[in-house]
Amino acid sequence: QVQLQESGPGLVKPSETLALTCTVSGDSVSSGSYYWSWIRQPPGKGLEWIGYIHYSGRTNYNPSLKSRVTMSVDTSKSQFSLKLSSVTVADTAVYYCASSSRGTWWYFDLWGRGTLVTVSS
Amino acid sequence: QSALTQPASVSGSPGQSITISCTGTSSDIGDYKYVTWYQQHPGKAPKLMIYDVSNRPSGVSDRFSGSKSGNTASLTISGLQADDEADYYCSSFTSASPLVFGGGTKLTVL
Repeated sequence: QVQLQESGPGLVKPSETLALTCTVSGDSVSSGSYYWSWIRQPPGKGLEWIGYIHYSGRTNYNPSLKSRVTMSVDTSKSQFSLKLSSVTVADTAVYYCASSSRGTWWYFDLWGRGTLVTVSS
Repeated sequence: QSALTQPASVSGSPGQSITISCTGTSSDIGDYKYVTWYQQHPGKAPKLMIYDVSNRPSGVSDRFSGSKSGNTASLTISGLQADDEADYYCSSFTSASPLVFGGGTKLTVL
């Protein structure tokens, strides 16, 4: 059973870069069966898909965030990561890492517990 | 504003059936069979309930069903139970921005 766990700073200053990591256990992050995604949810609001990365390096980002998003995979640590640059208070949200056990990228049955990132000076 | 439109809230009594709608356009729901529904309890991660319009993952009750007609997808929950009270989100593949979510619907079990 694949399990995901987000980690990273809970507080980021405006204009700085948000950096989060998702640790994968139960299977290999370099398995071609998975697309590794990030999804966020501002407090009290709905879900927003940020994008995905495949272990091969292929990425697909939400166009509204594309200019600020970078995703990467570290197979040696069984982790994948998100960097979001030039953050503002609007980027305050619970950030989830997610994937699908079915080899698809457009729906998710594997989720981390989420981590709250607050953007504030 | 979300790309997919859901009612803000719906309610029903235990044992009843309710339907949550998710309205998009011909560029998303209308053109693809990649509609997904999630259930989210407060403080928890979303849970996959329906994928690819009407498919139910193993372990999800058959009280939950999904359908699509034109640009609108629907989630129906029959035999409402207290534990069904949660937020529900739809999502769809879209030609414009690969994946979009609805704004969410709060289900209250009276």
